[in-house]
Amino acid sequence: GNSVTQMEGPVTLSEEAFLTINCTYTATGYPSLFWYVQYPGEGLQLLLKATKADDKGSNKGFEATYRKETTSFHLEKGSVQVSDSAVYFCALSEYGNNRLAFGKGNQVVVIP
Amino acid sequence: DTAVSQTPKYLVTQMGNDKSIKCEQNLGHDTMYWYKQDSKKFLKIMFSYNNKELIINETVPNRFSPKSPDKAHLNLHINSLELGDSAVYFCASSQVGGGYGYTFGSGTRLTVV
Repeated sequence: GNSVTQMEGPVTLSEEAFLTINCTYTATGYPSLFWYVQYPGEGLQLLLKATKADDKGSNKGFEATYRKETTSFHLEKGSVQVSDSAVYFCALSEYGNNRLAFGKGNQVVVIP
Repeated sequence: DTAVSQTPKYLVTQMGNDKSIKCEQNLGHDTMYWYKQDSKKFLKIMFSYNNKELIINETVPNRFSPKSPDKAHLNLHINSLELGDSAVYFCASSQVGGGYGYTFGSGTRLTVV
């Protein structure tokens, strides 16, 4: 079945540091890939997405590239701010399959 | 505003009670979902309805019963609440197929005491 694996553990970094959160996936077909962000006390918001290989999703300074050869969709941001502190979820879905498979999420804490 | 809205936002109740959470979407989506998020932030799908028809029913206690009166509404009723039901419950919706991603509600924090 489809699954998503995110790197273990929270991520703590200083303001203006470079952020990378790793995400790899297993899928039987050609999935769409997503990053969702959950700010404290809120629901999940779609951050960015990519629907086919080599597509790059980007939003709010975050980027992720759909790499079919490495089955990865790593999230990056060049210079984080305190306001980026949140939980980030990688997810995938295959067209025709209503199930969205989520990774376990990574807590990101940005220190001033 | 177009959105997925769920009520109530907070729900504190005693063990053994019965409670309902309501969800409505005005995005014109055909598919709606209920997810449970535990204290470690892990998201687990519970149910999904496509145009009022149940299409995903994960292994959840039968004390949980979803109801979809129309494709814009998906409610969750929980009987005989237990301490372990304490969690945040999210409603979401998507266009058919889910390939465009989901739109989530802001969640209902259920605390059973």
